[in-house]
Amino acid sequence: EAGVAQSPRYKIIEKRQSVAFWCNPISGHATLYWYQQILGQGPKLLIQFQNNGVVDDSQLPKDRFSAERLKGVDSTLKIQPAKLEDSAVYLCASSLETGAKSGANVLTFGAGSRLTVL
Amino acid sequence: AQTVTQSQPEMSVQEAETVTLSCTYDTSESDYYLFWYKQPPSRQMILVIRQEAYKQQNATENRFSVNFQKAAKSFSLKISDSQLGDAAMYFCAYDNNDMRFGAGTRLTVKP
Repeated sequence: EAGVAQSPRYKIIEKRQSVAFWCNPISGHATLYWYQQILGQGPKLLIQFQNNGVVDDSQLPKDRFSAERLKGVDSTLKIQPAKLEDSAVYLCASSLETGAKSGANVLTFGAGSRLTVL
Repeated sequence: AQTVTQSQPEMSVQEAETVTLSCTYDTSESDYYLFWYKQPPSRQMILVIRQEAYKQQNATENRFSVNFQKAAKSFSLKISDSQLGDAAMYFCAYDNNDMRFGAGTRLTVKP
């Protein structure tokens, strides 16, 4: 099966500019996640979608970050305006929903989008 | 909020030897899942092994096994017969409807 697709792989922008990342999950996967991974740290969950509804966005900086998953398939993560501390790899992952708890599912990750903010 | 702690930022092991990576977590839940993920340099994160909290038996996947101590909230990963391809960042993760990761342990394998 095709994996989780992400684009762009690399993006360099100046602070206060905007950027958007795109993710196409594995076909049939209901749950989609966006993680932020700062260099030297573990991934931090930004937002979790179940189909096109938001399950958890408690760690999403909503003043500058937004995400949507129209039609419950592809997703876009936007940062506007970007700050220096937003430099990170943005990972998208998806999983099937096979039970009441999403932990029953294995996440499949994309290759990530590396953002550098100058 | 649940937290995951990996106290070893870096570990090294000789090829063919065994190494254990530590992980502890904090939760008030009784039903959850624990994972170890591997992230090779410049490559995608992939699942190594998974443990359901309600199972007392430790999970095993070929050369990878875990030591799950629920009361102690400890979940260590043992890699036996280490290979050069095992070199990577290893992340411990806790999941109870949202996946939380530790800071990772960088494993170096010496030939």
